[in-house]
Amino acid sequence: AQSVTQLGSHVSVSEGALVLLRCNYSSSVPPYLFWYVQYPNQGLQLLLKYTTGATLVKGINGFEAEFKKSETSFHLTKPSAHMSDAAEYFCAVSSTGANSKLTFGKGITLSVRP
Amino acid sequence: GAVVSQHPSWVICKSGTSVKIECRSLDFQATTMFWYRQFPKQSLMLMATSNEGSKATYEQGVEKDKFLINHASLTLSTLTVTSAHPEDSSFYICSARDPGTSKGGTQYFGPGTRLLVL
Repeated sequence: AQSVTQLGSHVSVSEGALVLLRCNYSSSVPPYLFWYVQYPNQGLQLLLKYTTGATLVKGINGFEAEFKKSETSFHLTKPSAHMSDAAEYFCAVSSTGANSKLTFGKGITLSVRP
Repeated sequence: GAVVSQHPSWVICKSGTSVKIECRSLDFQATTMFWYRQFPKQSLMLMATSNEGSKATYEQGVEKDKFLINHASLTLSTLTVTSAHPEDSSFYICSARDPGTSKGGTQYFGPGTRLLVL
């Protein structure tokens, strides 16, 4: 069984400040980990993913995340927030099998203050 | 690359009618597609997994006779909400898994379809 925990439902930062969105996972097998972003009334866009190899993964729009097995974490960061980063962010985990499904966290709303 | 489209983007229908939503992978072949439902301010709830050429696998609690899924080709899956009622109003999102090994079987999502049943 797999699960994702995203603590808190809302994060607010000032424009230019560091963005840190936390994600912890539970998985009985080596996981694939994903971060998706959702803008209002739209589908999900893949920000980045970890499958194997380098534990620090870089994604689009300046975001990156680090897979820490010992902490079962996959936190998302961006050094400097932009107004356009305001959206809903979902962390997700899947197994590596051919028929694996995504298990989503409940999501975090990121607000960016001018 | 890895673009998934959905049609229509929104639909309003009367109670008792059926609504069909299409999901297409535009630049890759997807042997597996997924259908999700999302309520306001909530996460995505997986409804069913659709495999090309076979019957869909529904999650527990999802009525397969209510939500008909067809995956007749490697680029098209359809979800039909039969005899829709107001409680079926929701945001429906599909995704398609890119089977290419370099992409780790990543799911790419469509833009969603907002259904309002009056």
